[in-house]
Amino acid sequence: AQTVTQSQPEMSVQEAETVTLSCTYDTSESDYYLFWYKQPPSRQMILVIRQEAYKQQNATENRFSVNFQKAAKSFSLKISDSQLGDAAMYFCAYNGNQFYFGTGTSLTVIP
Amino acid sequence: EPEVTQTPSHQVTQMGQEVILRCVPISNHLYFYWYRQILGQKVEFLVSFYNNEISEKSEIFDDQFSVERPDGSNFTLKIRSTKLEDSAMYFCASIRGLGLETQYFGPGTRLLVL
Repeated sequence: AQTVTQSQPEMSVQEAETVTLSCTYDTSESDYYLFWYKQPPSRQMILVIRQEAYKQQNATENRFSVNFQKAAKSFSLKISDSQLGDAAMYFCAYNGNQFYFGTGTSLTVIP
Repeated sequence: EPEVTQTPSHQVTQMGQEVILRCVPISNHLYFYWYRQILGQKVEFLVSFYNNEISEKSEIFDDQFSVERPDGSNFTLKIRSTKLEDSAMYFCASIRGLGLETQYFGPGTRLLVL
């Protein structure tokens, strides 16, 4: 069965600094997608970034980038130049045939 | 940009009552999903729906739950007799096609069962 693990329940970062959120997953599939979703206090689920497993190049979206290590089944999210609006719960998600979510990392941004 | 919408945003109900949560997926999307998130916990898959029938469901999705696409735009989740433990945020999501597509989530309905 696929599982997604986020080992950091809480993280904090100083405004304008960089933070990395960790995610590992377990799968026997070769084709899949990985995602990071952001959930602000409003509790909406907002897609931050996605990575196709067949692509070696790490995905980047403005200040957000991933470090995808397929062999290690690791998919971390790096947020550069952190802003106050980045404060939220971040969920790592895996999609093979079905979506599986991690337990989330609560990110605090310190002014 | 098209988006998934959900109504109501909040619902309070008495235990044992029926509730219907509504979703309007993105118009050219074909696969629809319901997820649940109990406060402080992770997002849990409930059910997926394609071509007017359930394609997959989790063990959470028991006989108290049902889904329907009553017309060409709405996708509903019905809970027949709500329990206290049904209190949660319910998210609808849709994707354009089967496979490894990005799911687009609605803003959620916060259900409180008293």
